[in-house]
Amino acid sequence: DAKTTQPPSMDCAEGRAANLPCNHSTISGNEYVYWYRQIHSQGPQYIIHGLKNNETNEMASLIITEDRKSSTLILPHATLRDTAVYYCIVKSGGSNYKLTFGKGTLLTVNP
Amino acid sequence: GAVVSQHPSRVICKSGTSVKIECRSLDFQATTMFWYRQFPKQSLMLMATSNEGSKATYEQGVEKDKFLINHASLTLSTLTVTSAHPEDSSFYICSAREVTAGNTIYFGEGSWLTVV
Repeated sequence: DAKTTQPPSMDCAEGRAANLPCNHSTISGNEYVYWYRQIHSQGPQYIIHGLKNNETNEMASLIITEDRKSSTLILPHATLRDTAVYYCIVKSGGSNYKLTFGKGTLLTVNP
Repeated sequence: GAVVSQHPSRVICKSGTSVKIECRSLDFQATTMFWYRQFPKQSLMLMATSNEGSKATYEQGVEKDKFLINHASLTLSTLTVTSAHPEDSSFYICSAREVTAGNTIYFGEGSWLTVV
């Protein structure tokens, strides 16, 4: 599975949009981009995933560049409860469903 | 999203004893479950992949005789830490693959193990 690069930390003001970047320049054609987050002392929470097209759900939006080498997770109106470590994971949709976690981005939402 | 539940959420055991952690998929059947371990301020490390009705596949460096994994049904996988030592104290997290949701992986709440 392709490797991802994320900034170690980011800050965001409460109520503003949080834009979390992820680079995955070695992504291959059949690999999806997944986003999870982990709030302190809890298991990771699935947020969203995509292949080529931008995706949106009740939690966030995922913007994938046309060349698929990078993506951005957008939390439209960040709240204090969105403070967490956000993980961007790239993996194929094949028979190996293992998720490999990097260090992620610690997003701190400030009041 | 789908719900994965772990039990117990916290457990303290004496050194040398064994402790079992359960992972259940509550509203879907999971043919594949995964077990992770996470030490403080570190990322999740995959320990093993558990397939229903077959032996678990362990990641390199994980002792299969120490971390026994059983996946006897489509909704339950268990991790047993045998002969626990203080260095096994960690946050153990399971996850399960939801086939009907495009193979999305959902995680349990995690289980804190403290070996004293």
